[in-house]
Amino acid sequence: DADVTQTPRNRITKTGKRIMLECSQTKGHDRMYWYRQDPGLGLRLIYYSFDVKDINKGEISDGYSVSRQAQAKFSLSLESAIPNQTALYFCATSDHARSTDTQYFGPGTRLTVL
Amino acid sequence: AQKITQTQPGMFVQEKEAVTLDCTYDTSDPSYGLFWYKQPSSGEMIFLIYQGSYDQQNATEGRYSLNFQKARKSANLVISASQLGDSAMYFCAMRGLIYNQGGKLIFGQGTELSVKP
Repeated sequence: DADVTQTPRNRITKTGKRIMLECSQTKGHDRMYWYRQDPGLGLRLIYYSFDVKDINKGEISDGYSVSRQAQAKFSLSLESAIPNQTALYFCATSDHARSTDTQYFGPGTRLTVL
Repeated sequence: AQKITQTQPGMFVQEKEAVTLDCTYDTSDPSYGLFWYKQPSSGEMIFLIYQGSYDQQNATEGRYSLNFQKARKSANLVISASQLGDSAMYFCAMRGLIYNQGGKLIFGQGTELSVKP
């Protein structure tokens, strides 16, 4: 089984709809992140969480919200989806106790907003 | 400001040959980590290799090695004995370790590698 899972893997929705992307991990990591990837660009950070009680905005948080329901679960919500939120969304996890604090990514959710 | 530059949008290599993917970076953080990720056409991001700015030796992981030249601010990925399965997009990324409290990774725009049989 994958260490970091994301649901759904693909989603098509309409402008104005609320949508939630979910991320679960079995790696036992404390830190979790949400990134988005647009064509021709690298990944950009939306939100990050260092533990259950810690939520922080990344560089492109407008239009998004998150919830850290447990150490292993971190969900991303689009309250009112718009077409320029069409992208590939990645959840990532890391363990701050490791000196490298390497981030490991889930398989991604491909979101299309019509 | 932190920035990663990958100047090769696309590269071709013959199967079983070695290939070098270029990455240069800029940061004001005195301590940082450099990462390479592979993204095959299926979309997932796969961690390949890590180099710390104070590591004395270049990192190696199987067929992957990182040619780290700190003075030149470069962190090139070398793939030896290329395989068809190496065809993918490759991203260089950096994370500041002192000033970057959010742990944010800064990514380059990627290099698309195609391995020819």
